[in-house]
Amino acid sequence: DVVMTQSPLSLPVTLGQPASISCRSSQSLVHSDGNTYLNWFQQRPGQSPRRLIYKVSNRDSGVPDRFSGSGSGTNFTLKISRVEAEDVGVYYCMQGTHWPPWTFGQGTEVEIK
Amino acid sequence: EVQLVQSGGGLVQPGGSLRLSCGASGLTFSNQWMHWVRQGPGKGLVWVSNIQSDGSTTSYADSVQGRFTISRDNAKNTLYLQMNSLRAEDTAVYYCLWSFGVWGQGTLVTVSS
Repeated sequence: DVVMTQSPLSLPVTLGQPASISCRSSQSLVHSDGNTYLNWFQQRPGQSPRRLIYKVSNRDSGVPDRFSGSGSGTNFTLKISRVEAEDVGVYYCMQGTHWPPWTFGQGTEVEIK
Repeated sequence: EVQLVQSGGGLVQPGGSLRLSCGASGLTFSNQWMHWVRQGPGKGLVWVSNIQSDGSTTSYADSVQGRFTISRDNAKNTLYLQMNSLRAEDTAVYYCLWSFGVWGQGTLVTVSS
């Protein structure tokens, strides 16, 4: 199974400042079809998760452009350009290249300082 | 509006059974793969099972293989998860997903005597 490792696991941030979350996979996530199936999800307190980013860098509909995804191979990053109060929650990366199983990172908790 | 509405959770004794349902609206249900993901109390997200669009192919996490059965009724736009031989470690909020882009509201399953 592909192991997804996120860092940090806890991220205190100041409102208006940038934030960055790293996600590493135990093997390359490049699929034989040429795509890289790496997603990012946000889970606000008490809510269901929602997808923010698919295939490394594509924002889902309605996701603010302060969220961006980047990376390749085994190293990926989610960046928030200016953190807002509504961004508090837990963020997960997930790979969909080598399945089953689809595998998630441990989660990174973003909180306001 | 795309919606997945879940039902069927609750309290069950160890060794018991439960069936979860997930009704879809606002999307072409039969065109997409569906998944179940669970989240134990205070824990991260774990993929449980998948069913392809026509229901012909299914996949399961090792932890539920042989105990859980995923199925779908495309005529009723409904996804199911039959859970047998339940264990305490199956206690979690279970989410149904439409191709990881749309999540249900989650339903709590508690396995306890």
